[in-house]
Amino acid sequence: DTGVSQDPRHKITKRGQNVTFRCDPISEHNRLYWYRQTLGQGPEFLTYFQNEAQLEKSRLLSDRFSAERPKGSFSTLEIQRTEQGDSAMYLCASSLERGWVQVSAGANVLTFGAGSRLTVL
Amino acid sequence: DAKTTQPPSMDCAEGRAANLPCNHSTISGNEYVYWYRQIHSQGPQYIIHGLKNNETNEMASLIITEDRKSSTLILPHATLRDTAVYYCIVRDKTSYDKVIFGPGTSLSVIP
Repeated sequence: DTGVSQDPRHKITKRGQNVTFRCDPISEHNRLYWYRQTLGQGPEFLTYFQNEAQLEKSRLLSDRFSAERPKGSFSTLEIQRTEQGDSAMYLCASSLERGWVQVSAGANVLTFGAGSRLTVL
Repeated sequence: DAKTTQPPSMDCAEGRAANLPCNHSTISGNEYVYWYRQIHSQGPQYIIHGLKNNETNEMASLIITEDRKSSTLILPHATLRDTAVYYCIVRDKTSYDKVIFGPGTSLSVIP
């Protein structure tokens, strides 16, 4: 396993178009996160999944944004009718969350992908 | 909202120790302190975590105060490749919460 993969790495689109990003997490990881990051800011939480269940969505995630993780493996983040303000780096991370089990080395640690950079013209 | 506060930026001379502080005054007994860093144009990378004891690994040391209200990440011999944004995060050990990042500390290692 080579880590968390994100595709595409770069996407340039015109305002009003739809875009979809894919994230392939580390295979045994049950938790998957999506973040958005703009220049000079820390990653902003968008949403996260525990297996295939979407547990929470940020208020940043407008109705134009939808995320899925259909079989608890890969995930997609779709943005409909893109706006210039959607230009950002979209980061995916995965982790093996063990709940009440004592945190051990490697557990409950987020592994990030390299991100997908979106530019909306 | 992030549960931690960090200085926005710091400088460190190459070869010297970089000490990055983090304040987490509202931390609860179940919460761990995690540190990540983000080198320009890459995704954040895990560095170290701890509960109440000091921790050390091949990347860094983590010193947590006795009252657990603050911690310090130590890079013992900073190199130019350590120039990055460093994020301090607290997480509950039940880990059913989402992970929230603050703005972090931008560390510049100067030759």
